[in-house]
Amino acid sequence: QSALTQPASVSGSPGQSITISCTGTSSDVGGYNYVSWYQQHPGKAPKLMIYDVSKRPSGVSNRFSGSKSGNTASLTISGLQAEDEADYYCSSYTSSSTFVVFGGGTKLTVL
Amino acid sequence: QVQLVQSGAEVKKPGASVKVSCKASGYTFTSYDINWVRQATGQGLEWMGWMNPNSGNTGYAQKFQGRVTMTRNTSISTAYMELSSLRSEDTAVYYCARLFGVVLGFDPWGQGTLVTVSS
Repeated sequence: QSALTQPASVSGSPGQSITISCTGTSSDVGGYNYVSWYQQHPGKAPKLMIYDVSKRPSGVSNRFSGSKSGNTASLTISGLQAEDEADYYCSSYTSSSTFVVFGGGTKLTVL
Repeated sequence: QVQLVQSGAEVKKPGASVKVSCKASGYTFTSYDINWVRQATGQGLEWMGWMNPNSGNTGYAQKFQGRVTMTRNTSISTAYMELSSLRSEDTAVYYCARLFGVVLGFDPWGQGTLVTVSS
């Protein structure tokens, strides 16, 4: 069981927007602005899409955005494209001895 | 470009140890922490620990305390992760990743190293 809770799957049609949630506690997501999101295509290494809740690394499309409210962080993808189909993982710093926790991952299907 | 290249796949017997390397290029190796994350087949990501290549300081997830050791050789810009007392549940792809943000955010990642533990 992962420390952060994500929906197992989400789907959307090309051009639509989707949001993936990531729920933790006040010891991780709610307590720190150190949430990051990763995209992983099958057989590939993860790729950083969002860090520090809402910052985008250079080269990441502005269709990807992040936010946080209380103990829940969210990743929104607007203008869905076929290449967005992948697994998405959230991660947060935690005050526990684990230091870093991941969500269980969300499979995004572009219909 | 900034790149991390890992060593090749390994097959180990239960109880053995494995040492995975991660060679950095395209940036100053000692300026960014290296983290290790593993992923069992069909499963999610699991953080194992971090290392500061400049000082050699490390921090390990409690789950791996006593079994994992992270080291580096600055002369060849290479980080290492050694996991001992291997069991079948340790079968996974092991990734190294550079710290991107101040505290969190890993980018780039190595290509991954498959470690198979089987008798």
